[in-house]
Amino acid sequence: RKEVEQDPGPFNVPEGATVAFNCTYSNSASQSFFWYRQDCRKEPKLLMSVYSSGNEDGRFTAQLNRASQYISLLIRDSKLSDSATYLCVVTSGYSSASKIIFGSGTRLSIRP
Amino acid sequence: EPEVTQTPSHQVTQMGQEVILRCVPISNHLYFYWYRQILGQKVEFLVSFYNNEISEKSEIFDDQFSVERPDGSNFTLKIRSTKLEDSAMYFCASSPDAAGTAYEQYFGPGTRLTVT
Repeated sequence: RKEVEQDPGPFNVPEGATVAFNCTYSNSASQSFFWYRQDCRKEPKLLMSVYSSGNEDGRFTAQLNRASQYISLLIRDSKLSDSATYLCVVTSGYSSASKIIFGSGTRLSIRP
Repeated sequence: EPEVTQTPSHQVTQMGQEVILRCVPISNHLYFYWYRQILGQKVEFLVSFYNNEISEKSEIFDDQFSVERPDGSNFTLKIRSTKLEDSAMYFCASSPDAAGTAYEQYFGPGTRLTVT
């Protein structure tokens, strides 16, 4: 089983739609979780951290399910500018000596 | 807005040559990282660096690789004898705190390394 696994997509949805991605992780000792977005041939940019209680930032909602070892990202009212690859990132600890693992990413394409 | 910078943007080198990739992290950040991304593949962690020493490294970061913070601003990745499979985009990142907290890692724009 991959350490961090994502559906590669692509997800092709119309503008205004709601879209959700899941990411599963294999290490039950994982401590911190993030969603990044990466535009084509650009660097990853942090979208949001994922907290145990779930968190929301505007149109974006992230959830963590430790029991089932997955995190999710929900995008509401999608915009053309949301087209990107969404990367799930998991770390093994809280210190700098943490293993940092990126998922392969889920491609999202928003059509007009 | 402060940003991480990387030079060069593209480096072409011959197999067996040494290359040094340079990064200038954000000035008040304490933690530094190198990642690589082979074209079409996922971002892979190479190494983290704090307080002038390596904190964590992946299996990819073998004896061919080394990192250094030669002065107060630069953070470098050296590949001693490049192989064809080292061709990738190399990203530098920095954060004010360790990646395991909610602190954001800021990524540089990357250096595309092509080994011929």
